[in-house]
Amino acid sequence: GQQVMQIPQYQHVQEGEDFTTYCNSSTTLSNIQWYKQRPGGHPVFLIQLVKSGEVKKQKRLTFQFGEAKKNSSLHITATQTTDVGTYFCAGPWGGSSASKIIFGSGTRLSIRP
Amino acid sequence: NAGVMQNPRHLVRRRGQEARLRCSPMKGHSHVYWYRQLPEEGLKFMVYLQKENIIDESGMPKERFSAEFPKEGPSILRIQQVVRGDSAAYFCASSPDGPYEQYFGPGTRLTVT
Repeated sequence: GQQVMQIPQYQHVQEGEDFTTYCNSSTTLSNIQWYKQRPGGHPVFLIQLVKSGEVKKQKRLTFQFGEAKKNSSLHITATQTTDVGTYFCAGPWGGSSASKIIFGSGTRLSIRP
Repeated sequence: NAGVMQNPRHLVRRRGQEARLRCSPMKGHSHVYWYRQLPEEGLKFMVYLQKENIIDESGMPKERFSAEFPKEGPSILRIQQVVRGDSAAYFCASSPDGPYEQYFGPGTRLTVT
């Protein structure tokens, strides 16, 4: 079946270290979205990537969409305690009439101060 | 500029009762998605609605669950004859145009006793 996988499931880093989470889809996606959810909170939209090979940056965060539009990554440089949370990728599912959005399993980031 | 509103924030029901969860999308958004999240898990798609239409309900159990988004008023997720396994956080999200960037409400935490 159609799936969106994320690795790693958990990542525990020292403050100041870098962090990367990877997202892989079993099918080509028209776009990929990234969200962050703080503990006890709700998902917050971070960014959407649409083009093959697209790279976008938001301060210390770098998002990449693979050439085949089946994988994506989020890289955080020099993590801070405010980066703690679970990062989800998500993409539309259903072929040309994609309507529902499927979320990856998420990567939970924790940070040692 | 109010965001997505959900109420109630917390709901306690006894087994066999009905739960009604409400979601008011952001102003100008006519697309609503409902998701379910169990503790420490990802977001599971339930249903996608536009005003007066159910677009995709493939993630929603066939029995006991229903959703609507009337012409006037909030979107409603209704769970009849709740069971303990229905205990979860239910999030709704709205978007201006289909399966693209979504804006989440704070969620309703349902506890079935």
